Amino acid sequence: EAGVTQFPSHSVIEKGQTVTLRCDPISGHDNLYWYRRVMGKEIKFLLHFVKESKQDESGMPNNRFLAERTGGTYSTLKVQPAELEDSGVYFCASSQIKGSVIYFGPGTRLLVL
Amino acid sequence: TQLLEQSPQFLSIQEGENLTVYCNSSSVFSSLQWYRQEPGEGPVLLVTVVTGGEVKKLKRLTFQFGDARKDSSLHITAAQPGDTGLYLCAGLPSGTYKYIFGTGTRLKVLA
Repeated sequence: EAGVTQFPSHSVIEKGQTVTLRCDPISGHDNLYWYRRVMGKEIKFLLHFVKESKQDESGMPNNRFLAERTGGTYSTLKVQPAELEDSGVYFCASSQIKGSVIYFGPGTRLLVL
Repeated sequence: TQLLEQSPQFLSIQEGENLTVYCNSSSVFSSLQWYRQEPGEGPVLLVTVVTGGEVKKLKRLTFQFGDARKDSSLHITAAQPGDTGLYLCAGLPSGTYKYIFGTGTRLKVLA
């Protein structure tokens, strides 16, 4: 069974540009999560989808971040316009049941210059 | 703000030594997970503990969940260089579906 996959693995952009990160959860997992680790800090929750619906987006930093999960399969996280403080590792995770074990993808390392 | 304090942050030991990593909080968790993360990869689940006082063993790794479900420990016996990595604890506060992560313990085992 394939795990959670994320694309790209790395992204280097300039301040003000737009970046879109993609996550493909484990097949059959309705719950999809985005987490972020900023340099020197702990991994923090961004948001949670159940199928195509946003259940909780309380961790989204501001309105420059937009997450979608059209069709309830893969998800995208767009940052527009990117700022220096957005640099970090963005992890996607999925689970079969809400609150059960979550499985992480390898992450996208974003560097905003 | 709910916090999960993990200690120590860094640990460098010789092969064959024992070590313990701690994860503490003032919050009660319905479950707590331990992960290991290698460079360039995402966290990989090691174990989930759900019952207060629970002890789980995974080869040379022993995981314990506190009686009050507020803390946990990871003990490694006879550490090997292959144990080197970033160890993370993540707790699921009661009544929520958002995991809270500790800052991690970066372990280096020297041959």
